[in-house]
Amino acid sequence: DQQVKQNSPSLSVQEGRISILNCDYTNSMFDYFLWYKKYPAEGPTFLISISSIKDKNEDGRFTVFLNKSAKHLSLHIVPSQPGDSAVYFCAASSAQTGANNLFFGTGTRLTVIP
Amino acid sequence: KAGVTQTPRYLIKTRGQQVTLSCSPISGHRSVSWYQQTPGQGLQFLFEYFSETQRNKGNFPGRFSGRQFSNSRSEMNVSTLELGDSALYLCASSLAVGTAQETQYFGPGTRLLVL
Repeated sequence: DQQVKQNSPSLSVQEGRISILNCDYTNSMFDYFLWYKKYPAEGPTFLISISSIKDKNEDGRFTVFLNKSAKHLSLHIVPSQPGDSAVYFCAASSAQTGANNLFFGTGTRLTVIP
Repeated sequence: KAGVTQTPRYLIKTRGQQVTLSCSPISGHRSVSWYQQTPGQGLQFLFEYFSETQRNKGNFPGRFSGRQFSNSRSEMNVSTLELGDSALYLCASSLAVGTAQETQYFGPGTRLLVL
């Protein structure tokens, strides 16, 4: 049972434009959400996180939005750069199942076109 | 500060053998978690170690085991390897300061191929 879902396997965006990656979850007990970026043959790199008590968190070009009522989060990258091309995973955890037991989505491959 | 390191990076084994993978966490990090990534199942949590004790476990058979040493370094072992164990095995570490919300930092992974 996939508790975290990324329904778009791929996304292409022009350099300089906004990239919006989406993630849905089913477990209402999730209280912490993270986005990771992954290049081939490397481990996931942490990008940004958000607690369930917030609805927005920004870090430079990256902003994560959380809509708890819809069980939906999104990652906005503005402006998109060619170096952002990678696979993006959203992940979630809960105190109930353990803060370090991350449930991952299946990933979205972002391609930023120069 | 050095990141999470994993050894070896690549490994080829045959069915029925066993394998041990090693992970050194970021200095000061006390929790180490292991994940398996396969094309079919994606990234799945194996287990977490903290203070040399397994603190949490995912839904994997008993052939998958691990341990943590006093310096927080961790090893995972897979016995009686099956073809389906071919995967990227990722180690992640976190500070484990006691808050409910931890950020984990991943190593580069060990790519295991079972023939």
